[in-house]
Amino acid sequence: EAGVTQFPSHSVIEKGQTVTLRCDPISGHDNLYWYRRVMGKEIKFLLHFVKESKQDESGMPNNRFLAERTGGTYSTLKVQPAELEDSGVYFCASSQALGGGYSETQYFGPGTRLLVL
Amino acid sequence: QQPVQSPQAVILREGEDAVINCSSSKALYSVHWYRQKHGEAPVFLMILLKGGEQKGHEKISASFNEKKQQSSLYLTASQLSYSGTYFCGTSGPGGKLIFGQGTELSVKP
Repeated sequence: EAGVTQFPSHSVIEKGQTVTLRCDPISGHDNLYWYRRVMGKEIKFLLHFVKESKQDESGMPNNRFLAERTGGTYSTLKVQPAELEDSGVYFCASSQALGGGYSETQYFGPGTRLLVL
Repeated sequence: QQPVQSPQAVILREGEDAVINCSSSKALYSVHWYRQKHGEAPVFLMILLKGGEQKGHEKISASFNEKKQQSSLYLTASQLSYSGTYFCGTSGPGGKLIFGQGTELSVKP
């Protein structure tokens, strides 16, 4: 079974440009989470989808970030316009059970390393 | 509320043991442990769901003390492959994980 995949693996852009990150969760996983790790710090929650619906976007930094999940399958995270502080590693994770829950294992993708210059 | 991990970093020789602690000021319902190697995905190690629960995975085990609101990860007879950053995470509403700041573990030959 394929794991969580993310594309691209790396992205270097200039301040003010737009970048779109993609995540393909494990097939059949209803829950999809986005997280971000800024260098040397903890992994921070950004948002949570259940199927195609946004369940919780309390971690999104500001309205420059837009996430979508088409048809409850893959998800995209767009940053527009990018700022220097957006640099970091963006992880996607998925879990199986509908509605998530404190007992569900989340499987992480390899991340997209974003560098904004 | 972010859980607090200690120590922040530890250096071991192969074969030595280590303990990583994770504590929270809020009630813990579950503790999730992950290990991340540089440039790779965080890899799930284990979940502890109930106070008093202990789990083992080869030479890596963990305990969960619900009353003290803390969990500990035990690495026994460490191997080079154990190197990486260890994160504990607690579950928030909807299952989102709130991670500690990480513990960097280096195992030297």
